[in-house]
Amino acid sequence: GIQVEQSPPDLILQEGANSTLRCNFSDSVNNLQWFHQNPWGQLINLFYIPSGTKQNGRLSATTVATERYSLLYISSSQTTDSGVYFCAVGRDSNYQLIWGAGTKLIIKP
Amino acid sequence: GAGVSQSPRYKVAKRGQDVALRCDPISGHVSLFWYQQALGQGPEFLTYFQNEAQLDKSGLPSDRFFAERPEGSVSTLKIQRTQQEDSAVYLCASSPLTNEKLFFGSGTQLSVL
Repeated sequence: GIQVEQSPPDLILQEGANSTLRCNFSDSVNNLQWFHQNPWGQLINLFYIPSGTKQNGRLSATTVATERYSLLYISSSQTTDSGVYFCAVGRDSNYQLIWGAGTKLIIKP
Repeated sequence: GAGVSQSPRYKVAKRGQDVALRCDPISGHVSLFWYQQALGQGPEFLTYFQNEAQLDKSGLPSDRFFAERPEGSVSTLKIQRTQQEDSAVYLCASSPLTNEKLFFGSGTQLSVL
């Protein structure tokens, strides 16, 4: 099956810093989503991005499907960005998405 | 509704009790998923519905776990004779179709004592 690796596993930054989170996957996919799980456990869908680049405010994501990786950029970090960021990939369907282990981000005030 | 709604938010059960967890997906969403999340781990797939049809239940850990979505909207995950290892957060998610953005509820945190 498809393997998903996220890096780094942990990241501690000061408020205002920028960060890049990476998701590598072992086979071709056409479904890739980034999620943020806040400290209260709510999973929020940030991007559906099987290829290309998208931006939403301070967040942007790029997926290079041919090279089997995706990057999530967070600019001007805020304390509310803290939590775990998951990448999930699959072929076609949300059915049986393969999840990475996540990147735990802590933003210090 | 505006988002995926799950209830109860917390459930404490004595070992051996039956529990029922409810999920109300976003109105009109065809696909509904149940996940189990252990502390510090990513979500693990349990089962998938397309409308009222349960198309995959391969992730259900045992035959004590049962899910239904009889009218293609609200879904219930039932766990019979709960065991301590069932303690986890149970997440429900829905999407408009099977390959679109996935939206999660707040989850039900189940503790079996």
